[in-house]
Amino acid sequence: GAVVSQHPSRVICKSGTSVKIECRSLDFQATTMFWYRQFPKKSLMLMATSNEGSKATYEQGVEKDKFLINHASLTLSTLTVTSAHPEDSSFYICSASRQGLTDTQYFGPGTRLTVL
Amino acid sequence: KQEVTQIPAALSVPEGENLVLNCSFTDSAIYNLQWFRQDPGKGLTSLLLIQSSQREQTSGRLNASLDKSSGRSTLYIAASQPGDSATYLCAPRGGANNLFFGTGTRLTVIP
Repeated sequence: GAVVSQHPSRVICKSGTSVKIECRSLDFQATTMFWYRQFPKKSLMLMATSNEGSKATYEQGVEKDKFLINHASLTLSTLTVTSAHPEDSSFYICSASRQGLTDTQYFGPGTRLTVL
Repeated sequence: KQEVTQIPAALSVPEGENLVLNCSFTDSAIYNLQWFRQDPGKGLTSLLLIQSSQREQTSGRLNASLDKSSGRSTLYIAASQPGDSATYLCAPRGGANNLFFGTGTRLTVIP
C-alpha cells in the first residue's frame, strides 16, 4: 500500500508555455501533499505544502504565481509551472501523507521537466 | 533553519563490505528521521524511519541509529551488494512535517 504516482514522468516544453504535473495517491487518501524540487546532484528542496481543499503554503523564495498548486481532492494534487523558462528545468517530486503532521511521507517517482 | 550534512559525498566499496553512512543535522528538535534511497533519475524509496524517542531501527541488512541530542544519525549496510548502489539521503522531520534533506551519499558497490 501507500503508492504515489506522478504524471508525466518526463516533459519537454518550449519557453513561455505552462506545464501541469499531477500527483496521485493510488491506494490511500492524502490529507497533505508536498512538492519538492531537485537540481542535479543537489538535495531535495521543499517548494510547498498543500492540504486538500485549502490554499498551499509556499516556502520562502518560491513564487506562488509561478508554481500554482491545486489539491482539489484527497487523491490528487497538481503543480502547474506557468510561463516556464529554462531555469525552471528540474526534477519535481511529490509526496503524500495520510494524516499530515504525524504520518510518513510517501514519494512519487518524480517528473523531469526540461524547458527549451 | 535545519541544515543536514551527509558524509562522505561519495563512497565506492567492493562487494561484501560492511559500510557506514553518516548524517548530521543542526536542529535536534526533530519529530523523526528517515533514510531514503534514490536511484538515478528516480524518486525516493523509504528505507527506515526512526522516531525521535528511538535509538535505532533495523530492516534486513540495514541498521539506522539516531543520537538526537548530538544531531547525528548513521546508516549501516551489512554485506553490501551491487544492487545497493544508489544515492542515500537522510531527512530529519520537523514539527510541521517538513522533511529536510541532505545532499546524499552516492554509493557504488563494485562486483
